[in-house]
Amino acid sequence: DVKVTQSSRYLVKRTGEKVFLECVQDMDHENMFWYRQDPGLGLRLIYFSYDVKMKEKGDIPEGYSVSREKKERFSLILESASTNQTSMYLCASTTVGGRYGEQFFGPGTRLTVL
Amino acid sequence: RKEVEQDPGPFNVPEGATVAFNCTYSNSASQSFFWYRQDCRKEPKLLMSVYSSGNEDGRFTAQLNRASQYISLLIRDSKLSDSATYLCVVTKAAGNKLTFGGGTRVLVKP
Repeated sequence: DVKVTQSSRYLVKRTGEKVFLECVQDMDHENMFWYRQDPGLGLRLIYFSYDVKMKEKGDIPEGYSVSREKKERFSLILESASTNQTSMYLCASTTVGGRYGEQFFGPGTRLTVL
Repeated sequence: RKEVEQDPGPFNVPEGATVAFNCTYSNSASQSFFWYRQDCRKEPKLLMSVYSSGNEDGRFTAQLNRASQYISLLIRDSKLSDSATYLCVVTKAAGNKLTFGGGTRVLVKP
């Protein structure tokens, strides 16, 4: 079974703090993704990565950065957290040779910025 | 205008009944289509792909209408366990970048 884990289920931070969200997958997947999910807006892609040290902006990259130093780990960084970044953050991974359109998601991190 | 739009619901469905709902997409260049399912407080999971000719997977039937730019999902003989949010997903081109709709919530009641 594919397993995608995220470092925290719930996180509370203060405005201006630097926040790290970690994602690890155990299936040697090449592609990894970070989304945020907000009511009525669905999942929106923040950043994705097709390989180690490679990153590409998604639809809403502003205020975020990412790091992929190892194939299994993809980190999302909020350099200076703001209240409008309060959201559910979901990490996903997929492999090039896998079932087309299938991404495997982690359980999510609910981030609250006060 | 959102790229992928869905009626948020909820659709309240008696157990055993049939429910159907649509999803519209704005980009005519969209190539591939999927339905994902998301249970309450859980992560999304792929339910089924949507093929041009329509396809079934057990009690679930997916249809694609390219001319009108919508896809649909029909659930027959609804079970309590079908209660979930159904996410419509579209890709613009070959690749793994998915665009999600906001989801349609379905509640199956005894």
